[in-house]
Amino acid sequence: AQSVAQPEDQVNVAEGNPLTVKCTYSVSGNPYLFWYVQYPNRGLQFLLKYITGDNLVKGSYGFEAEFNKSQTSFHLKKPSALVSDSALYFCAVRDATSGTYKYIFGTGTRLKVLA
Amino acid sequence: EAQVTQNPRYLITVTGKKLTVTCSQNMNHEYMSWYRQDPGLGLRQIYYSMNVEVTDKGDVPEGYKVSRKEKRNFPLILESPSPNQTSLYFCASSLSDRGSNIQYFGAGTRLSVL
Repeated sequence: AQSVAQPEDQVNVAEGNPLTVKCTYSVSGNPYLFWYVQYPNRGLQFLLKYITGDNLVKGSYGFEAEFNKSQTSFHLKKPSALVSDSALYFCAVRDATSGTYKYIFGTGTRLKVLA
Repeated sequence: EAQVTQNPRYLITVTGKKLTVTCSQNMNHEYMSWYRQDPGLGLRQIYYSMNVEVTDKGDVPEGYKVSRKEKRNFPLILESPSPNQTSLYFCASSLSDRGSNIQYFGAGTRLSVL
């Protein structure tokens, strides 16, 4: 069965500092991994995805994520946080090889960037 | 403008009164999906559709129905709503059922069932 864990409900970081939002996953086959961001009163917006190839994926707004197969992790990172990055972040997984069409999302991590 | 449109954005109803939340996309996407978002539980997939007339259950389908008679529309039907269906609902679409495709989300429908 597929699953996603985001162990932190909230992450606080000072503006200008690096940020990390954690995600671990479980799938029976190879994973497709995604990060989405949700701003207040808005739908989710795509940030980046890992399909195959290079373990470091670069996405929108300066975000990047590192795929680590041995640790089954896909942590979201940014070298220098902005106040405008404050939002709710979701990690999602879909099994690439099992034939399922389902997506599994994590519970979300609220990022607060303090000025 | 490419978008996923949900209506209504806000809805208050009473237990047992049938309702439909509409979802429409203008991107000619094959794959469409409904999610509910609840505090502490994240997004959970209710139903998805791989194409016209092809639908399947997600992780929390109980109490919901869907139909996909046209490619652009994917309505969510609550035949007899109950208070535990009070939630924030999102419709999403993607180009195809390939897992690598990005999903595009609507703005959400906040439903309260009294």
